[in-house]
Amino acid sequence: KAGVTQTPRYLIKTRGQQVTLSCSPISGHRSVSWYQQTPGQGLQFLFEYFSETQRNKGNFPGRFSGRQFSNSRSEMNVSTLELGDSALYLCASLGGIGAEAFFGQGTRLTVV
Amino acid sequence: EDKVVQSPLSLVVHEGDTVTLNCSYEVTNFRSLLWYKQEKKAPTFLFMLTSSGIEKKSGRLSSILDKKELSSILNITATQTGDSAIYLCAAGTQGGSEKLVFGKGTKLTVNP
Repeated sequence: KAGVTQTPRYLIKTRGQQVTLSCSPISGHRSVSWYQQTPGQGLQFLFEYFSETQRNKGNFPGRFSGRQFSNSRSEMNVSTLELGDSALYLCASLGGIGAEAFFGQGTRLTVV
Repeated sequence: EDKVVQSPLSLVVHEGDTVTLNCSYEVTNFRSLLWYKQEKKAPTFLFMLTSSGIEKKSGRLSSILDKKELSSILNITATQTGDSAIYLCAAGTQGGSEKLVFGKGTKLTVNP
């Protein structure tokens, strides 16, 4: 059974640009969550999608957005990139309510 | 504001030692307490605890939840160099979405 797949693995972008990250959950999982991990703040919740609907959003500016497709794949977008957006972005896939979350390898975003 | 605090933040031990990692939480609508191990990128799932006082065990690792004290511990016996990693504790919340609130992690270094 394939795990959670995130693409790309690494990205380097310039301040002001925008970026789109992709996450394919474990087959059959309908819930996808996104987290930002930085050395100073640890893992912070960005948002969670279930059946193409955003059910919860963390405390991040509107530049961070996401969506989920009918096949449960999810994308997150960050517009007008800032240096502080440099981080590891992790996607988690859940098989049901209260189930454990399984993480992908992450996308390492560097903003220069 | 939801909060998870882990201690110690870092720990250096010798192979064969036993370690105890601590996690305390203050979250609204608490559902579960999860432990993850992060070596390079993807946090890998260790345990999910929902009931107080029931120990979960996997090989040399074990964990228990104390809902009265709002805390959990992760024990690792007979540590090996391969146990070197960051151990993350997360509180899962309920209420219509799947959100994890993470602590900053405990960095464990096991020296030969």
